[in-house]
Amino acid sequence: TQLLEQSPQFLSIQEGENLTVYCNSSSVFSSLQWYRQEPGEGPVLLVTVVTGGEVKKLKRLTFQFGDARKDSSLHITAAQTGDTGLYLCAGLSNSGYALNFGKGTSLLVTP
Amino acid sequence: GAVVSQHPSRVICKSGTSVKIECRSLDFQATTMFWYRQFPKQSLMLMATSNEGSKATYEQGVEKDKFLINHASLTLSTLTVTSAHPEDSSFYICSALEGRGKTTEAFFGQGTRLTVV
Repeated sequence: TQLLEQSPQFLSIQEGENLTVYCNSSSVFSSLQWYRQEPGEGPVLLVTVVTGGEVKKLKRLTFQFGDARKDSSLHITAAQTGDTGLYLCAGLSNSGYALNFGKGTSLLVTP
Repeated sequence: GAVVSQHPSRVICKSGTSVKIECRSLDFQATTMFWYRQFPKQSLMLMATSNEGSKATYEQGVEKDKFLINHASLTLSTLTVTSAHPEDSSFYICSALEGRGKTTEAFFGQGTRLTVV
């Protein structure tokens, strides 16, 4: 099993602040995905990064895939209360059939 | 993105009864689906990998006789919790992989909140 370490596990910030969530592994992944999950619902795919060094932006969210394809980060600028949720990273194994999840970062954005 | 539908979203059952949860891929075929269990404010715990036309592969510590998985078609997998007990109460989520190679992505059902009383 290719393990993914996600940090921080919990994060509570005020609206308007910036934050970064990290996803690290000693293994190389074919691609890496970020999901957001709200209470009582299934995770929703935010982005997939495939190429080492790739940076993708989704409005106030910036995703980066490490050059060696072992780690990734999610940066949120000017957080809003609607960003509250559980953020999960998942790495796709080189076989393409196994998706390994990190333990998640629970984000709370308060007014 | 692809759509995965899970049903029911909530179910309450009596201790000792069985509950079936369905997971359907609506606009794509899924050879492989996954079943997860999630505790409050925690990540997803993989229970088993469901393969169309063959037996499911269970993770260590998951009782295959208690959590029966059937993947009879390319668009439907079911999870049956047999002889449910209060400790089986949890949030169960399914997912299916869509795409090939590096473009493979996982899409999730809405989840099922099971409460055993």
